[in-house]
Amino acid sequence: EADIYQTPRYLVIGTGKKITLECSQTMGHDKMYWYQQDPGMELHLIHYSYGVNSTEKGDLSSESTVSRIRTEHFPLTLESARPSHTSQYLCASSSSSRGASEAFFGQGTRLTVV
Amino acid sequence: RKEVEQDPGPFNVPEGATVAFNCTYSNSASQSFFWYRQDCRKEPKLLMSVYSSGNEDGRFTAQLNRASQYISLLIRDSKLSDSATYLCVVKDRGSTLGRLYFGRGTQLTVWP
Repeated sequence: EADIYQTPRYLVIGTGKKITLECSQTMGHDKMYWYQQDPGMELHLIHYSYGVNSTEKGDLSSESTVSRIRTEHFPLTLESARPSHTSQYLCASSSSSRGASEAFFGQGTRLTVV
Repeated sequence: RKEVEQDPGPFNVPEGATVAFNCTYSNSASQSFFWYRQDCRKEPKLLMSVYSSGNEDGRFTAQLNRASQYISLLIRDSKLSDSATYLCVVKDRGSTLGRLYFGRGTQLTVWP
């Protein structure tokens, strides 16, 4: 079982609020990722990190920001939530080590902005 | 051009059928290859890694053809519980070391 956790699992919030989605992993993985996925649609990479203090934007333009101050923690922040941010957000991690390179996913945060 | 392209699907097959999914990738320097399974409204989970020599796990067989940049997944004796979306995943090797690329996914429905 993967040791990667996301909180909250579900969030309903009003427009304009600041929100932070939490993601933590206890596997010591150096790489972490945030994906956005609408129902029945493909995964879109919005942010990734190669290690502490290293973050990059992904393929999908996003108004969110991330930080990686500690290896195990990769929070995603929306400064001002909008209905267009309603989606599922999936966090994942992987290791650079050979032979252990698959990604493990958290259970996701289903965000609804009203 | 997308990094990973998959069969569009959906595939609707009866129990016991054999079904094959295909996937192509564009970066010849890609390092690692995987098939993931995603159930409705759940997170993706690793089904199996794909090795150069091909590999089998029970009813599932994965093949990799590096020359053609092609990956396949074969499911034999389909079960109702195999109904899910199957994602082809490629891990980069180049400057974006460790970057994962996901295909759009192929939806499989196994009916009784």
